[in-house]
Parts: sequence; C-alpha cells; structure tokens
Amino acid sequence: DAGVIQSPRHEVTEMGQEVTLRCKPISGHDYLFWYRQTMMRGLELLIYFNNNVPIDDSGMPEDRFSAKMPNASFSTLKIQPSEPRDSAVYFCASSNTGQGLNSPLHFGNGTRLTVT
Amino acid sequence: QKEVEQNSGPLSVPEGAIASLNCTYSDRVSQSFFWYRQYSGKSPELIMSIYSNGDKEDGRFTAQLNKASQYVSLLIRDSQPSDSATYLCAVNTGYQKVTFGTGTKLQVIP
Repeated sequence: DAGVIQSPRHEVTEMGQEVTLRCKPISGHDYLFWYRQTMMRGLELLIYFNNNVPIDDSGMPEDRFSAKMPNASFSTLKIQPSEPRDSAVYFCASSNTGQGLNSPLHFGNGTRLTVT
Repeated sequence: QKEVEQNSGPLSVPEGAIASLNCTYSDRVSQSFFWYRQYSGKSPELIMSIYSNGDKEDGRFTAQLNKASQYVSLLIRDSQPSDSATYLCAVNTGYQKVTFGTGTKLQVIP
C-alpha cells in the first residue's frame, strides 16, 4: 500500500497567488480529511469528505479556501488569493470505516506552504 | 473551552522512566480516542486507539480512558530517547469528525 500521497511537498508562493494542494487517499478508504498545522493552533480540521461528498467544512477559514473531491482517488485544496497567514503545513488523511466506525486516520507527508 | 486540551510541555523524563501524558475533552458524546506520535518535520502516526473505559496495553504503551471524567492518558514505560516527539491526543466526536489537541512535547533525557 502506497499510503496517502500529497503533492507538492513544499510550495513557496507570493501573496495573492493561487495555490493548489493535491491528495491521493489510500485505495478503498471512504473518508478524506484536510488538516492545517501551525505552531500556534496545532492541527486544525479544515474539511472532510465521505464517499467524495463534503460532510463538514466548518473549519475552512474563509472563502479564499475551497476543496473538491471529484473522485475516490483524488482531492484538491485551493487557496485563492493566498496570504502570508496561510503559511502552514497542510496534511491530508484518509480512513476506512469498513474497519469500523472508529477507524484511525492515515496521514500523508504533508505540504509545507510558505506565502511571502 | 477547546474541544481537546493537552499540556504543551515540554515534559522531560530520564531514560527508563515512565512518561505520563494527559488529555481532556469537552464533548461527552465522543466515541473513540487516539494517541498519535509526531516527530519533528514528519506526519502524525497512530500509536494507540481506545474506545472503552479502562486501560489498554500495547507493548510499552498503555492508554487509559475515563469517560465520566472526560479524560484520556498515555503512559510510556521504560522511556527511550527515540520516544522524544510530540504526542497528539485525538477525539472522534461522531460521524468520523476527529479533533486533535495541540500536543505535548516529550523529551527523554539519556
């Protein structure tokens, strides 16, 4: 199993630019999560999907953030326009409720975003 | 009140000692509880999960859950320098929504 795959690993962009982060969940997993991690706020849940349908996007900080999951094997998190305060590590994670409703999350390696 | 609270540390223990990490949560309907370990610059990795009141042991790790007190803990016996990391408490509050605490940094001193 290849695990959760995120790209790019690092992204450096200028304020005002559009940023797109990508995630491929583990095959067969039915839940996909986007988290953001900063020193000050820790791991924050931004949005999560069940079978490609967004379930809860209450953690999305503002309209500049959007996420899509067009199919079971791909999701994107887009920031437009980006701001310096968006600098953080963004993690994608997936889980498989076929292993039980309380199945753990499997994390990707994260994307470190720096907005200058 | 934060949904999941942890002491940020650092918690320093000598090699071979027991490290005790604590976590409280606010939502009484929370169903499952997890401890993740995160090394600097890496992604979180699952150590333990616990769903029922009481203790659950896995090697040097013991997770303890007290739903009445809304309290979860992780004990690490015979602590090793390789255990030095940030430990994240996570709570599933239902519908697979998993909320994390800010983590406790553990330092094991050789």
